[in-house]
Amino acid sequence: SYVLTQPPSLSVAPGKAARITCGGYNIETRSVHWYQQRPGQAPVVVIYYDSDRPSGIPERFSGSSSGNTATLTISRVEAGDEADYYCQVWDSSSDHMVFGGGTKLTVL
Amino acid sequence: QVQLVQSGAEVKKPGASVKVSCKAVGYTFTTYYIHWVRQAPGQGLEWMGKISPSSGSTTYAQKFQGRITMTRDSSTSTVYMQLSSLRSEDTAVYYCARGYSYGYSEVFDYWGQGSLVTVSS
Repeated sequence: SYVLTQPPSLSVAPGKAARITCGGYNIETRSVHWYQQRPGQAPVVVIYYDSDRPSGIPERFSGSSSGNTATLTISRVEAGDEADYYCQVWDSSSDHMVFGGGTKLTVL
Repeated sequence: QVQLVQSGAEVKKPGASVKVSCKAVGYTFTTYYIHWVRQAPGQGLEWMGKISPSSGSTTYAQKFQGRITMTRDSSTSTVYMQLSSLRSEDTAVYYCARGYSYGYSEVFDYWGQGSLVTVSS
């Protein structure tokens, strides 16, 4: 089965950029979606189809994918960005959805 | 507006079954798949399976095969997820999510509020 690997945690100072990676075999050939989950809340999509941003999501959020790594970038990080972030793809061979293990972003 | 409204918290004993509901509001029920995702305390998101509200066809994650059943009631725009033979490791928040399809993938664009299922003797 397809596996997505994320770093468990990342700490960034306010105003700096946060880059959260999601590793998977040949992930650039798949569509990657990113979710933000604040404590006690349901996840919210922040990037879909690698780099598209839903309405209402700040332009500071962007996504990219190349080779075996997809990346969610949050520029000029704010305290309100502190949350868990998950990547997700569809595994066509099994018709299953797959999530990465999640990355806890801490704003220093 | 689009909402997925889930049933309330449940407490079950080991070996019992639980049935969680997810009512779709604000869009055409049969247009989008509904997926179920769970999250154990302090853990990540785990995909459980999906159902087509139009046909009723289902796809389940291998881990839950034999223990999970998803059904739908088109008259009330409601999807159900039943998990049987519960064990303590099934204690989690269970979410339903709408799958928006574009091309060769689906993104979960709307989520329910979550239903806490606690399995304890």
